[in-house]
Amino acid sequence: QKEVEQDPGPLSVPEGAIVSLNCTYSNSAFQYFMWYRQYSRKGPELLMYTYSSGNKEDGRFTAQVDKSSKYISLFIRDSQPSDSATYLCAMRGGSNYKLTFGKGTLLTVNP
Amino acid sequence: DTEVTQTPKHLVMGMTNKKSLKCEQHMGHRAMYWYKQKAKKPPELMFVYSYEKLSINESVPSRFSPECPNSSLLNLHLHALQPEDSALYLCASSQASGVSDDYEQYFGPGTRLTVT
Repeated sequence: QKEVEQDPGPLSVPEGAIVSLNCTYSNSAFQYFMWYRQYSRKGPELLMYTYSSGNKEDGRFTAQVDKSSKYISLFIRDSQPSDSATYLCAMRGGSNYKLTFGKGTLLTVNP
Repeated sequence: DTEVTQTPKHLVMGMTNKKSLKCEQHMGHRAMYWYKQKAKKPPELMFVYSYEKLSINESVPSRFSPECPNSSLLNLHLHALQPEDSALYLCASSQASGVSDDYEQYFGPGTRLTVT
């Protein structure tokens, strides 16, 4: 079983849709959870950062962490064509520099 | 400001060339990272510097040689690369572990390297 599983998609939605992106993980030592957005041929951009279980909201983006189920989600409300990108989940344990990434989900938002 | 800058944006080099990639951050971060990313794959960690000392080397071939001249700068020296080393090379920075475990990691835009 891979440490982090993420459906690679591709995922195609109409503009204005609610998008749900998900990752599952197996390592119970993971405590810090991140979502990055990466446009084609660019570096990853940090979207959301959460510690332990719970929800965090930032504008149209909501990150959820459920440590009991080892499941994290990113919701995008009112999706825009500019949200079209690859979304990478990433996580790490405490006092540990190494990020473990999911494979990334390619999202296309159609106008 | 959460900016990590990298130069050059693009680099084409032959297998016998020597070149260097550069990375800079002015966020006061004391940990800096090199990643390699192939197309349609997630980034793979290569090296971590913490307080200007090499902390992690993920068994990277010696044709890649990292250097951290000061807390703001990180270089990656390249020599005798192979075509399969062509990739996007990403630099990142964060606070250092030990000060606090709660820190974010920020990436630069990357250098797209092509080895011919």
